[in-house]
Amino acid sequence: EADIYQTPRYLVIGTGKKITLECSQTMGHDKMYWYQQDPGMELHLIHYSYGVNSTEKGDLSSESTVSRIRTEHFPLTLESARPSHTSQYLCASSEDLGTGGREAFFGQGTRLTVV
Amino acid sequence: SQKIEQNSEALNIQEGKTATLTCNYTNYSPAYLQWYRQDPGRGPVFLLLIRENEKEKRKERLKVTFDTTLKQSLFHITASQPADSATYLCASPNNQGGKLIFGQGTELSVKP
Repeated sequence: EADIYQTPRYLVIGTGKKITLECSQTMGHDKMYWYQQDPGMELHLIHYSYGVNSTEKGDLSSESTVSRIRTEHFPLTLESARPSHTSQYLCASSEDLGTGGREAFFGQGTRLTVV
Repeated sequence: SQKIEQNSEALNIQEGKTATLTCNYTNYSPAYLQWYRQDPGRGPVFLLLIRENEKEKRKERLKVTFDTTLKQSLFHITASQPADSATYLCASPNNQGGKLIFGQGTELSVKP
């Protein structure tokens, strides 16, 4: 069982609200990632971090923001939620996603619905 | 752009048969490929990794091949069971900072 946790598992929220999706890992991994996945579709990378105070945007444009103040914690924030943000958000971590070839560990995901 | 493509059509097979899933990559040469299993409503779980200098890797009933000429990886499940039913994802680091990119996944259904 991977030691990476996401909360909440499910969230239904009204348009315009600010939300934060939590992601924590206890494996001491430097690399952490956020993916967005619609039902039956592929995972799209929206944010990644190589370590504390290091964050970059992924390939899929997202209105969300992230922070990495502590190694174990990588929260994602939406300042003003919209129905188009409805999706599943998956957090992952790894020792190394470069040529070292270590696997990524995923959390259970947060299913977000914006009404 | 660098891309991983998997057969988006669901694969339906009979219990006991071998399932074969395909992963093709374009516009880059990954140092390795990974395969993950994803069940509905859950995060992907890592299964196997194969490096570019390896032709084949095995783990129990799973076998992965890597053909750099064809730019393709094949994922085999032998003696398939209904419990193997899931979506299987192919992934690899891209050439821009080694970000892990995924194919769209192939849904496998094993009938008893």
